[in-house]
Formats: sequence, structure tokens, C-alpha cells
Amino acid sequence: DAGVTQSPTHLIKTRGQQVTLRCSPKSGHDTVSWYQQALGQGPQFIFQYYEEEERQRGNFPDRFSGHQFPNYSSELNVNALLLGDSALYLCASSRPGLVTNTGELFFGEGSRLTVL
Amino acid sequence: AQSVTQLDSHVSVSEGTPVLLRCNYSSSYSPSLFWYVQHPNKGLQLLLKYTSAATLVKGINGFEAEFKKSETSFHLTKPSAHMSDAAEYFCVVSGSNQGGKLIFGQGTELSVKP
Repeated sequence: DAGVTQSPTHLIKTRGQQVTLRCSPKSGHDTVSWYQQALGQGPQFIFQYYEEEERQRGNFPDRFSGHQFPNYSSELNVNALLLGDSALYLCASSRPGLVTNTGELFFGEGSRLTVL
Repeated sequence: AQSVTQLDSHVSVSEGTPVLLRCNYSSSYSPSLFWYVQHPNKGLQLLLKYTSAATLVKGINGFEAEFKKSETSFHLTKPSAHMSDAAEYFCVVSGSNQGGKLIFGQGTELSVKP
């Protein structure tokens, strides 16, 4: 049973460019959340997708956007990259039942983005 | 608003000695609390979770944590450290009662000396 898979694992971009990160949730999971982890910091919640809609959002600018597909996979898009966007981007999936699901998230190993 | 504070950024112990990683929380409702571990170049893994059942929670690899409402604490302990326990540990609170949004502490790096 594959866990949460993310691609690419590493990438380098320059300021002003756009990036797309991809995530496939664990089998049987329908909810995908994205987190940003800057070096030496704890992960910060970006947003969550369920039933192809953004359900919750953290304190991130509109440059950060996402999408969820019918097969529950998800993309994170970041436009107009800044140096401060350099971080590890983590995808997490969870079990069905959005409203009552306060439990465990399964995390991927992340996509490490470097902005030069 | 929900938040967690990890009181130590780095803890160093000798192999075979007890581990204590401290966490205080703030929550406007009955919280769900978690400890996650992150080994280098690995994804975050859930160690244990508290969701208003027993206040002493047992997790994987011999770790446990005690929820103390009066002290707003959720400290992580292990009786005897192993070299493989060296990692970054995060105390986490559920950021909403809708699930999925987790609020992480800054992390505690645990070093284990032989």
C-alpha cells in the first residue's frame, strides 16, 4: 500500500517564476492538506482540499493556490516566487469524514523548493 | 486561537537514560493534541495522539505523553533513549474542530549520545 507520494522531490527556481507541486494521497484517503516547512521551523498549514474544493486556508497570500482532482490527487501552485518561498512543502492526507476527522494525518516526504 | 509552545529547542541525552520533551498548549476548545517525529530526509510520522480519552497516551517506540489540563501541558516521555530516537519532534494541536489543520510547535531536536 503506497503512502503519500509527492513530486518532484527537489527543484530549483528563480524569483518571479511559477512552480507546481504534486501529491497523491494514501489509498482510501480523500482529504489533502498542504504545509510549508521553512528551515528550522515547524510546518505551517497552507490549505486543505476535500471534494475538489478548498475547505480551510492558512495565512498565505493568493500567490499560493491549489487544486484537487476527482482521483483525490492534488497540486500546489505558487506564482511570482520570492526568496522566502524556499522551503520543504509537505502534503498530508487523511481518512474520509472531513467534519469529524480530527485525527492523524499521513505525510509525504515533501518537495524541497529552492528559490534563487 | 490554538497554539503550542515547545519549551526546548534542543535536548541531549545519553543512550539508556530517560527522555523528556516539554510542550505547553493553548486552545479555546477541548483540544486534540499530537506528537509527530521527523527523521532526516523522512516524512513526518505520528507518535501518539490525545483526543479526550485517557489522559496518559501511549504511542509507538515506547513513547508516551500525559495530558494535564490544569497545567495546559502535553509532555512527551520515554523511559530509556535509543540511538534511533535521534530526530526532530513536534508537538501539535488541532487548529480547528473540522480536522486537517494542524498547528505545529517549533520543534525539539533530540540528540542521543552513545
